[in-house]
Formats: sequence, structure tokens, C-alpha cells
Amino acid sequence: QVHLVESGGGVVQPGRSLRLSCAASGFTFSTYAIHWVRQAPGKGLEWVAGVTDSGSHKYYADSVKGRFTISRDNSENTLYLQMNSLRADDTAVYYCAKDVWGLTGVDSWGQGTLVTVSS
Amino acid sequence: QTVVTQEPSFSVSPGGTVTLTCGLSSGSVSTSYYPSWYQQTPGQAPRTLIYNTNTRSSGVPDRFSGSILGNKAALTITGAQADDESDYYCMVYVGSGISVFGGGTKLTVL
Repeated sequence: QVHLVESGGGVVQPGRSLRLSCAASGFTFSTYAIHWVRQAPGKGLEWVAGVTDSGSHKYYADSVKGRFTISRDNSENTLYLQMNSLRADDTAVYYCAKDVWGLTGVDSWGQGTLVTVSS
Repeated sequence: QTVVTQEPSFSVSPGGTVTLTCGLSSGSVSTSYYPSWYQQTPGQAPRTLIYNTNTRSSGVPDRFSGSILGNKAALTITGAQADDESDYYCMVYVGSGISVFGGGTKLTVL
């Protein structure tokens, strides 16, 4: 059974950094691409970033490109999202999500971790 | 900038059938966009219903089906039940590793 557990959320001041983690179990982590998806309070889902199974290819939404970095450690079955230069509009619940195939869709979701950017 | 469009809200009677759609502000959604559908109730993580246009995710009842209707992706729910009352999101793959969500449809069952 796929299990994804996000951690690292919290309150951070604008302009500061935060790193999220996603611990994966129940599947062969190193053979699947993984996504980060976020949801601002009262708003819809927003695709944020994706990384291929090997970690060699990384993709970002325009809203976070140049500020966020997705990475993974296949030896630890863990996904990361390094978030720099945080802004108030980055406030959201961040979900990690297991890819179906080729970064074309999601078949399993974590429960999410809340990031609040506020002074 | 790709904009994915969904009906903001929809209502269906219990036992009825409803079709939600997912389009593009410019162009048509085809199977090449690998449209997927997700259900979310307040305070919960999303749940995957459909991926790759019409493949049901594990454990999803066959009351939920995906298709392409005209120039849009579609999610059809037959025999609507009270617990189908949720927000529904589509996501399309726009290439180069990038995906985009629609704004979501709030479905009311009444």
C-alpha cells in the first residue's frame, strides 16, 4: 500500500527558506516520478513541480521556477522541496503525489503539510 | 500560459447522472493531454478517480468514468450519491514535464 508522508511545514517569514520532505513507502520509490502539488487556503489545486524516477529531470510551474528546487534521495525513499525567497502567496498545503507514468498524472497522494508565509 | 477551464459549480439529483468537463482556453483537450480527475472533500487530501483519460484508479467504482467529449475531457458520474458531493479537479499534461490543474467544479447532490 502506497504511503506518502510530508513534513517540514510551518510558519516562515517572507523572503526566508524552508525545506519540505516526503517519506515514501509501499512501492519501489526509485522507479516512479513524483509530483509536488499545493493548495492555497480556500483555493484550488496547483501543480508545483515534478521529478523523474532517477532525479535527472526536474520540472517547475512558472510561479515557482527559480525559487523552488525539487530533489530526491532514492537511497532514503525521500522527496524534497527546497523553497527559497518565500512569498505570502506561497502559503498553502503542499502535497507530494506519486506519478502514474511519465509525469502525466497522479495515482496516490500524501496528507499534506501546511506552509504559512507571514511576518 | 495554459488555462484549464472547468464549470465552477454543478448540481445533480440523487441517482442522477452528471458530466463535468475540462477544456482549454485555447485549443482542444485530446488523449495526448492525458487528462486526469481528482475528487476532494473539505479538509481532506485529493483522491484520484481517473487518469490517462479513462483509466479508473484502484478502488474507484465504475459509476465514475472518463472520456473525451468533443474538444473537452469529461468525467461522468452515474447514479449520484450523497457522498459524491465534493470538489472535482481535472489536470492535463501540457508537455515538457509540466501539468496544469483546472479551477475545479463544486458538485452539489440535492
